[in-house]
Amino acid sequence: QAVVTQEPSLTVSPGGTVTLTCGSSTGVVTTSLYPYWFQQKPGQAPRTLIYDTSNKDSWTPARFSGSLRGGKAALTLSGAQPEDEAEYYCLLSYGSALGVFGGGTKLTVL
Amino acid sequence: QLQLQESGPGLVKPSETLSLTCTVSGDSISSSTHYWGWIRQPPGKGLEWIGNFFYSGSTYYNPSLKSRVTISVDTSKNQFSLKLKSVTAADTAVYYCARRGRYCIGSSCYPDVERWGQGTLVTVSS
Repeated sequence: QAVVTQEPSLTVSPGGTVTLTCGSSTGVVTTSLYPYWFQQKPGQAPRTLIYDTSNKDSWTPARFSGSLRGGKAALTLSGAQPEDEAEYYCLLSYGSALGVFGGGTKLTVL
Repeated sequence: QLQLQESGPGLVKPSETLSLTCTVSGDSISSSTHYWGWIRQPPGKGLEWIGNFFYSGSTYYNPSLKSRVTISVDTSKNQFSLKLKSVTAADTAVYYCARRGRYCIGSSCYPDVERWGQGTLVTVSS
């Protein structure tokens, strides 16, 4: 089974920009893996932030964007807000499994 | 509006079978074009996909859990269920049911947002 890798933790200053990445042990991440990004705050269920590489859910703030960068999926936050402090998970779909999550990135806004 | 609600025992003894149900409102599993599934999260850890199904198609399981997992559907109640047998403390987790981010029309499938329930904590302990 493929392994999906994320930075364990990142810190961004309020108003700053940060990029989280999502890599695959099988090689380059492409749109055919339909990268997803989820945001999870303590005590809450994860919710879709980005799907299919760069599409936003209806609630997703404009400051979040998804892309492919350097062979990985990337989530960029431009203009970080205190409420963006959370755990972020990526998901890559290998076939019909819809199935491998990264270990998560704990984002601190400080 | 789509809602998913997990239910089941919060405590299961080691070696027994964990059984959870997901009740869906706002969509019909039997006529839905979406995949549905289960995901879990051990306390303080990351997410793990358990399995998915497409009502008129196949069911897919995480290879690491496949020998112990069964997902089934009760269309009369618009529910789907998870059974995980021979549980150990390592199966202690918050279990989420979800409408997964893929829908299929004919032979073509498309990505979509995922919608999850609030989750239910299941503790495996004697």
